[in-house]
Amino acid sequence: NAGVTQTPKFQVLKTGQSMTLQCAQDMNHEYMSWYRQDPGMGLRLIHYSVGAGITDQGEVPNGYNVSRSTTEDFPLRLLSAAPSQTSVYFCASRAGRHQETQYFGPGTRLLVL
Amino acid sequence: DAKTTQPPSMDCAEGRAANLPCNHSTISGNEYVYWYRQIHSQGPQYIIHGLKNNETNEMASLIITEDRKSSTLILPHATLRDTAVYYCIVRLNSGGSNYKLTFGKGTLLTVNP
Repeated sequence: NAGVTQTPKFQVLKTGQSMTLQCAQDMNHEYMSWYRQDPGMGLRLIHYSVGAGITDQGEVPNGYNVSRSTTEDFPLRLLSAAPSQTSVYFCASRAGRHQETQYFGPGTRLLVL
Repeated sequence: DAKTTQPPSMDCAEGRAANLPCNHSTISGNEYVYWYRQIHSQGPQYIIHGLKNNETNEMASLIITEDRKSSTLILPHATLRDTAVYYCIVRLNSGGSNYKLTFGKGTLLTVNP
């Protein structure tokens, strides 16, 4: 198993550009989520999904969209990038409601100029 | 949500046991204590979790006090690769929000040669 994979590893955007951060898992996990990590802020939940076709907002959803058309993939879209979205983004998955362990991807480092 | 308090940093000599404390005095009866760690530039990694009883796995031991107001993560023989930020987390347990793990600032453990 590759676990949770994320692409790209690093990205530079200009303000106003859009892009999609990719996340995939091969563990057949129901739950997937996106976090961002900023210095001194810990990890903050952006969006999450409890299964294909079901998504919901986390703590800091503004400026981001998600979709979950398959169990494996959970892309995060930045609609119009802003410097405040400069961060490290982590995707995570876990097996289901009663499975406690989350598995994290290696992260995507995003710089918005 | 039960909050946790951890020291911001600790040092440990290589080969010695590392004991990382965590206070969670407002924990409720059905909330678990989780430990994750994050090595520099990597995604968080699950270590161990427990409810009431002490737990041990191949990575670490978790000691939870009888009143459950605090816990200690023990790395029995710390190595340089154990240098990381260690997060003590109390799992949210309120309806549909059980997908979420709230990461605080954690403890930076530095293992010295």
